[in-house]
Amino acid sequence: DAGVIQSPRHEVTEMGQEVTLRCKPISGHNSLFWYRQTMMRGLELLIYFNNNVPIDDSGMPEDRFSAKMPNASFSTLKIQPSEPRDSAVYFCASSSLGYEAFFGQGTRLTVV
Amino acid sequence: DQQVKQNSPSLSVQEGRISILNCDYTNSMFDYFLWYKKYPAEGPTFLISISSIKDKNEDGRFTVFLNKSAKHLSLHIVPSQPGDSAVYFCAASGGNKLVFGAGTILRVKS
Repeated sequence: DAGVIQSPRHEVTEMGQEVTLRCKPISGHNSLFWYRQTMMRGLELLIYFNNNVPIDDSGMPEDRFSAKMPNASFSTLKIQPSEPRDSAVYFCASSSLGYEAFFGQGTRLTVV
Repeated sequence: DQQVKQNSPSLSVQEGRISILNCDYTNSMFDYFLWYKKYPAEGPTFLISISSIKDKNEDGRFTVFLNKSAKHLSLHIVPSQPGDSAVYFCAASGGNKLVFGAGTILRVKS
């Protein structure tokens, strides 16, 4: 298995633009997580899905953030409009049975 | 509301000595605990875990200890090697929700 695949690896965008981050989880995993890594808060859980259904989105910082999982093999995290303070590394992870999660390589987002 | 806390931002240890990384949690509903290691420009990778029904789990040089009454866990690395230098994240799981701490940067000096 190729592992969790995230795209793009790097994204530079201007303030106010829409940004979409993509994730393909490991086949057969039923949980998917979106995290944001910052110096101050470490790995911050934004939202997680079980069987494609959003379970807890309490970590989503603002209404500018939204996430979808239309099927078991694809998820997106969208920021609209983006702001400089959204600059961070965003990770997607998937797991089976809620135990150890496997992470993608991350997307480094820079909003200028 | 940080449910998982790693109060030491960094730790420096001499090669061959023991590294001890600590983690505290607040939610009694957590029933599974994990440690991840992260190198720069890579995603975190799973290192070792422990169920809440155990108090110790060992895997080679890595041992995780769990003290449920204190809501505290620790990771011991013996002996420490320069290749262990990385960011270590503590994580707790309950109801499929996986929450991480802020991480501890470990530097192993040769």
